[in-house]
Amino acid sequence: EAGVAQSPRYKIIEKRQSVAFWCNPISGHATLYWYQQILGQGPKLLIQFQNNGVVDDSQLPKDRFSAERLKGVDSTLKIQPAKLEDSAVYLCASSLFSGRETQYFGPGTRLLVL
Amino acid sequence: GQSLEQPSEVTAVEGAIVQINCTYQTSGFYGLSWYQQHDGGAPTFLSYNALDGLEETGRFSSFLSRSDSYGYLLLQELQMKDSASYFCAVRPVYNQGGKLIFGQGTELSVKP
Repeated sequence: EAGVAQSPRYKIIEKRQSVAFWCNPISGHATLYWYQQILGQGPKLLIQFQNNGVVDDSQLPKDRFSAERLKGVDSTLKIQPAKLEDSAVYLCASSLFSGRETQYFGPGTRLLVL
Repeated sequence: GQSLEQPSEVTAVEGAIVQINCTYQTSGFYGLSWYQQHDGGAPTFLSYNALDGLEETGRFSSFLSRSDSYGYLLLQELQMKDSASYFCAVRPVYNQGGKLIFGQGTELSVKP
């Protein structure tokens, strides 16, 4: 089966610009997660969707970050405006349903904010 | 809250056995998971301990002791391809959504 797809793989922008990331989860997976991984740290959850509804966005900086999962399949994560500290890898993951221990991660988008 | 501590780096030689420890402070969780991440790659699921004790999957084993707030990942017959970062993670009971809390990761270097 196809894995989690993400694009772009790399992105370089200047601070105050906007950027968007796209994720296509494994077919049939109801739950989708966006994580932020800063160099040398473990992934940190930004937002979790169950189908097209938000389950947890407690750690999403809502003044600059937004995410949507229209139709309960693909998802986009947007940053506007970007700050230097947003430089990180943005990982998308999916699981069959909430509460499954196994999450399947995509290759991530490496963002560098200059 | 939850916090997980792991050693930042571990070095071992090919063919050896290495243990990566994970100590945690958490108010309650469903189980302890381990993920492997090669440089530039995606984290991939390795193992999960819902109950205390040892779980074995090929060359990898994982252990959990809730009374000691401690777990570890054991890698046997190390191969060069095992060089990667290893993360322990827990799913808090207060969060029904399945959110994982990850440790900072242990970078394993396997030398010839």
